[in-house]
Amino acid sequence: QKEVEQNSGPLSVPEGAIASLNCTYSDRGSQSFFWYRQYSGKSPELIMSIYSNGDKEDGRFTAQLNKASQYVSLLIRDSQPSDSATYLCAVRLSGGSYIPTFGRGTSLIVHP
Amino acid sequence: GAGVSQTPSNKVTEKGKYVELRCDPISGHTALYWYRQSLGQGPEFLIYFQGTGAADDSGLPNDRFFAVRPEGSVSTLKIQRTERGDSAVYLCASSPILAGASGELFFGEGSRLTVL
Repeated sequence: QKEVEQNSGPLSVPEGAIASLNCTYSDRGSQSFFWYRQYSGKSPELIMSIYSNGDKEDGRFTAQLNKASQYVSLLIRDSQPSDSATYLCAVRLSGGSYIPTFGRGTSLIVHP
Repeated sequence: GAGVSQTPSNKVTEKGKYVELRCDPISGHTALYWYRQSLGQGPEFLIYFQGTGAADDSGLPNDRFFAVRPEGSVSTLKIQRTERGDSAVYLCASSPILAGASGELFFGEGSRLTVL
């Protein structure tokens, strides 16, 4: 079992819809969770971080964390074609030196 | 520069050759990370430096891979006797402190390595 799991997609949503991206992790002791966005041919950039159970909102983005279920998600409201990218979930695992471990990413396509 | 700079942006080499990839982090960032990203996969951790020393090299796949950061700024990833399976984008990232505190890694644009 991989430490951080994501469905590779692609997830296709119409413009204006809510896109829901999901991530599960294996290490129950993990404390910090991150979502990075990666456009094709570009490097990842951080868009959200979350540390406590519940929801965290930033503009059109909401991160949701459920540590009991070892599940973190990212919701994108009013999706735009410019949101089309790969979304990488990263988790600071509790062992070792706390280096962020990435999932394989979910490809999101927002079509007009 | 303002961001993390990586050179070369593209490198094509033949199997068995030696390759060096360079990373110049954001000025003042003490932590530096190397990741490798294959097509359709997420970044895979290779090695992390705090200052000049390699604080965690557990991700290096074998002894053909080595990285240095002699003055605590620029880092070089060195790959000996390259194999076709080494083909990937090598990403360098930096952060002001250990990434764990905020989780934000600032990535460079990567060096795409192709081994023929």
